Amino acid sequence: TQLLEQSPQFLSIQEGENLTVYCNSSSVFSSLQWYRQEPGEGPVLLVTVVTGGEVKKLKRLTFQFGDARKDSSLHITAAQPGDTGLYLCAPRGGAGSYQLTFGKGTKLSVIP
Amino acid sequence: GAGVSQSPRYKVAKRGQDVALRCDPISGHVSLFWYQQALGQGPEFLTYFQNEAQLDKSGLPSDRFFAERPEGSVSTLKIQRTQQEDSAVYLCASAVQGVAYTEAFFGQGTRLTVV
Repeated sequence: TQLLEQSPQFLSIQEGENLTVYCNSSSVFSSLQWYRQEPGEGPVLLVTVVTGGEVKKLKRLTFQFGDARKDSSLHITAAQPGDTGLYLCAPRGGAGSYQLTFGKGTKLSVIP
Repeated sequence: GAGVSQSPRYKVAKRGQDVALRCDPISGHVSLFWYQQALGQGPEFLTYFQNEAQLDKSGLPSDRFFAERPEGSVSTLKIQRTQQEDSAVYLCASAVQGVAYTEAFFGQGTRLTVV
């Protein structure tokens, strides 16, 4: 059974600050997805990373997949109240795999 | 419809009552997932369908939980003899096909409260 850890579990910051959240595992992943879930809604996909060392940017969000494909990070620059939500990482399996399991998430609150 | 639709949005059940939760996936999506989400936690996998075939039900917590997708589209999650520990948000997601990089689209969930 793979162990998936997200840290920190909770994060409360002021608008304009930068932050990084982490997703770590003991297993190697074929790919990894990050989702954001707002209160009362289902998770929404932010990005999929596939290659070890890959960096993807989505406006103020920067996602990195570890070289060994066992960990990932999400960095937010100049956080805004609209970034508030539960950030979930989901390792994906290889070709033909339906696997979609989530970490416990990082609950981010950005205070105006 | 444009997205995944779940009904009801809210359900209050008395302990011991049976409930049925419905999921209408995006038309044409082969894959369908059910999750249970406790307050402040990430979604926990319950079961997976590929068309009408239930390929994985390893996450169902007990034999009181049953899911079906008889025609490969709409799915129903049934919980028999509900218990207080069943109180949670139940999320449904669908995807085009069961491959690794496919985006999963989620419904808003059904919040079940067992009293």
